Amino acid sequence: AQKITQTQPGMFVQEKEAVTLDCTYDTSDPSYGLFWYKQPSSGEMIFLIYQGSYDQQNATEGRYSLNFQKARKSANLVISASQLGDSAMYFCAMREGRGTSYDKVIFGPGTSLSVIP
Amino acid sequence: DAGVIQSPRHEVTEMGQEVTLRCKPISGHNSLFWYRQTMMRGLELLIYFNNNVPIDDSGMPEDRFSAKMPNASFSTLKIQPSEPRDSAVYFCASSLGAGINTQYFGPGTRLTVL
Repeated sequence: AQKITQTQPGMFVQEKEAVTLDCTYDTSDPSYGLFWYKQPSSGEMIFLIYQGSYDQQNATEGRYSLNFQKARKSANLVISASQLGDSAMYFCAMREGRGTSYDKVIFGPGTSLSVIP
Repeated sequence: DAGVIQSPRHEVTEMGQEVTLRCKPISGHNSLFWYRQTMMRGLELLIYFNNNVPIDDSGMPEDRFSAKMPNASFSTLKIQPSEPRDSAVYFCASSLGAGINTQYFGPGTRLTVL
């Protein structure tokens, strides 16, 4: 069963506008972490933001914020004031923490974001 | 601080040849992951080490693939013999400790098997 779903294969946003990239997840583990990574055309995977399942507040990192709705099992990434350099693939990922040494990360299929000048 | 280091960055080889990819994790990180990324299958976990011990190798495609971590600062992924369908970008990532900690990725090795 798909554990991470990203329903938007491609998105467009006007420069300086905000954009939301959707991510839903499926887990029965009460302890987990959610991540967003950016992969520009150069290929590297860049860590953007992290949200823990027990965190009370939504995570923010500069222009990135995570809209965490635990009951709905969604962890959408919000990018404010989009820039041309934000054009990239964005991956949502989940790591289930069972308190052991086994901590596999599962990645979603990704969303391609294009910022239009 | 140095991030995860991978070498080579690009590798072009002929079918049947042995390929060795190398990774140096971030100093102090004790978990290391090898991933493969293709257009068709996305990002797949191949193998995961914790404290130099392979914990989960269920993602390794077949016996042609092998991975080692002889010490905390070095890991290799070997393909022998290589096949055209092995062409992909191979990422190494490391993280600190167990549980829900962030993985940091290396720049990747783009492998082309002719």
